Amino acid sequence: GESVGLHLPTLSVQEGDNSIINCAYSNSASDYFIWYKQESGKGPQFIIDIRSNMDKRQGQRVTVLLNKTVKHLSLQIAATQPGDSAVYFCAELPLAGYSTLTFGKGTMLLVSP
Amino acid sequence: EAGVTQSPTHLIKTRGQQATLRCSPISGHTSVYWYQQALGLGLQFLLWYDEGEERNRGNFPPRFSGRQFPNYSSELNVNALELEDSALYLCASSLLGAGANVLTFGAGSRLTVL
Repeated sequence: GESVGLHLPTLSVQEGDNSIINCAYSNSASDYFIWYKQESGKGPQFIIDIRSNMDKRQGQRVTVLLNKTVKHLSLQIAATQPGDSAVYFCAELPLAGYSTLTFGKGTMLLVSP
Repeated sequence: EAGVTQSPTHLIKTRGQQATLRCSPISGHTSVYWYQQALGLGLQFLLWYDEGEERNRGNFPPRFSGRQFPNYSSELNVNALELEDSALYLCASSLLGAGANVLTFGAGSRLTVL
């Protein structure tokens, strides 16, 4: 696999604040996007997904925004809670044959009480 | 319903040895994926199996291999271990892999190579 730095981008917020985590994806042919949350010692967990024919999708306390023009994806978390502290990954999937999810580098979210 | 289960949780090996990691997918899922997550890094795609066949392979050397059994469980083998193979190896499963698909991950197997 490729080699990158050991330090993840980190976003520190206070409990109750809204958090915005950004992701730049690489493949303009990507058709489907997912946000995952990974808590310490656990595997990634699905949060929310969005298809390329949409620019916004809302879940419970979370909203994903997709800007295909600039290949940018964001995850907004409303009223952030300490339990939201984790590493967040965006993942993209091209609509072509036997494609697989490609993950971004991740952003660590730290929520202070 | 049981989620994706992986074993062992932790494995310690020395350079040059071989490691075997195992994964049981969610019942009804036919696709199994393997990802490597080195410390502080993102998830790097390793292998994808569906219906017993390898569907896709990531940019890893041939000493990383695996297979999928008739019951859809899978194992990942890493031969001639190197120090940089130390990582969390994550298995995920989904329904048939082609197209938009949510992967459900297991908790991972932590491999340490000394």
